[in-house]
Amino acid sequence: GAGVSQTPSNKVTEKGKYVELRCDPISGHTALYWYRQSLGQGPEFLIYFQGTGAADDSGLPNDRFFAVRPEGSVSTLKIQRTERGDSAVYLCASSLGSSRDTQYFGPGTRLTVL
Amino acid sequence: DQQVKQNSPSLSVQEGRISILNCDYTNSMFDYFLWYKKYPAEGPTFLISISSIKDKNEDGRFTVFLNKSAKHLSLHIVPSQPGDSAVYFCAASASATDKLIFGTGTRLQVFP
Repeated sequence: GAGVSQTPSNKVTEKGKYVELRCDPISGHTALYWYRQSLGQGPEFLIYFQGTGAADDSGLPNDRFFAVRPEGSVSTLKIQRTERGDSAVYLCASSLGSSRDTQYFGPGTRLTVL
Repeated sequence: DQQVKQNSPSLSVQEGRISILNCDYTNSMFDYFLWYKKYPAEGPTFLISISSIKDKNEDGRFTVFLNKSAKHLSLHIVPSQPGDSAVYFCAASASATDKLIFGTGTRLQVFP
């Protein structure tokens, strides 16, 4: 079956602009995660959804970052007033939803803020 | 504060030999550990995991060892193959949360 997909694959924007990054999880997966990977680092947790609700948003760096999953499937990560330090690869993962279920990652969206 | 550490940024191994990738952690609440493999321009792919109630888990050519007292785990790949060349991430989680805490990765190169 289809894996996790993310769009766009690349996004270049200017400092101060607003961006939206989309994640389509594996069908039937109730848990969805967002991570951010900066150059030379491992993925860093941002937020975790169980169904439509954010179960853990402790990784969001500040209030410029927001994520939604209104119907419990597709999720959108929204970044307001982008800064150069937001440049990174944004990874989405999904799992069946029980604790310890394997997280399957998408290919990521590379965000570049000029 | 890096809770999961991979101190070797790179490792080069000859095909057929054993590859040993190491990982240390500091948070004693971690009770589940995973290894992910990542190729360029792709997302991480799950490789193998181990619960803290075990000290070894094996899957084909891949074995993960956990030493809780030393807060150390390692991934052994034997025999190593050129297709194993990738970046390997160690990750950990605590039972109270499903989020994964990743290390910085080790780039493995397997040469003929």
